[in-house]
Amino acid sequence: AQSVTQLGSHVSVSEGALVLLRCNYSSSVPPYLFWYVQYPNQGLQLLLKYTTGATLVKGINGFEAEFKKSETSFHLTKPSAHMSDAAEYFCAVTRREGTTDSWGKLQFGAGTQVVVTP
Amino acid sequence: DAGITQSPRHKVTETGTPVTLRCHQTENHRYMYWYRQDPGHGLRLIHYSYGVKDTDKGEVSDGYSVSRSKTEDFLLTLESATSSQTSVYFCAISDPSGQGNTGELFFGEGSRLTVL
Repeated sequence: AQSVTQLGSHVSVSEGALVLLRCNYSSSVPPYLFWYVQYPNQGLQLLLKYTTGATLVKGINGFEAEFKKSETSFHLTKPSAHMSDAAEYFCAVTRREGTTDSWGKLQFGAGTQVVVTP
Repeated sequence: DAGITQSPRHKVTETGTPVTLRCHQTENHRYMYWYRQDPGHGLRLIHYSYGVKDTDKGEVSDGYSVSRSKTEDFLLTLESATSSQTSVYFCAISDPSGQGNTGELFFGEGSRLTVL
């Protein structure tokens, strides 16, 4: 079984400040990890993903995340927040070795709403 | 953007009425999913399909049924809608051969359902 915990349902950051969104996962098998972003009244868009290899992954819009197996974490960061970063962010996990009937069954965290203030 | 169309985008209905939501894709992806999004719960899987006529339950499948008679269409049916099914419903697609085997999902824009 897999699960995801996102710390903080709401985060407020000043424009230009560091954005840090925390995600911890639980998985009994090697995971694939994802961060998705949702803008108001839209679907989810993939920000970045960790599969294998390099543990620091870079995504769109200047975001990056680091997979830390020892801490079971996959925190999302952006050095300098922009007003356009205001959105809801979701961390998700799935098993690496999927079977036919488990493919793509992502387990999502509850989401973190990011507010950017001028 | 992935070619995923959900219909209707908004619907208001009354308790006890049947409701069908449609997801149509033009990507020829094998896997299709229905999730519901509720505040504080993130997205939860309702049902999914791994091929035509091949479907299975997710973690919140009670009160929902699905059908997939063609690769491009995945229907979600609420046989008798209840107020607890008021939610935003998202369709997603995936294909192992298309994303290098990483399980990435592509999402539609959602269908907002209100059950009065």
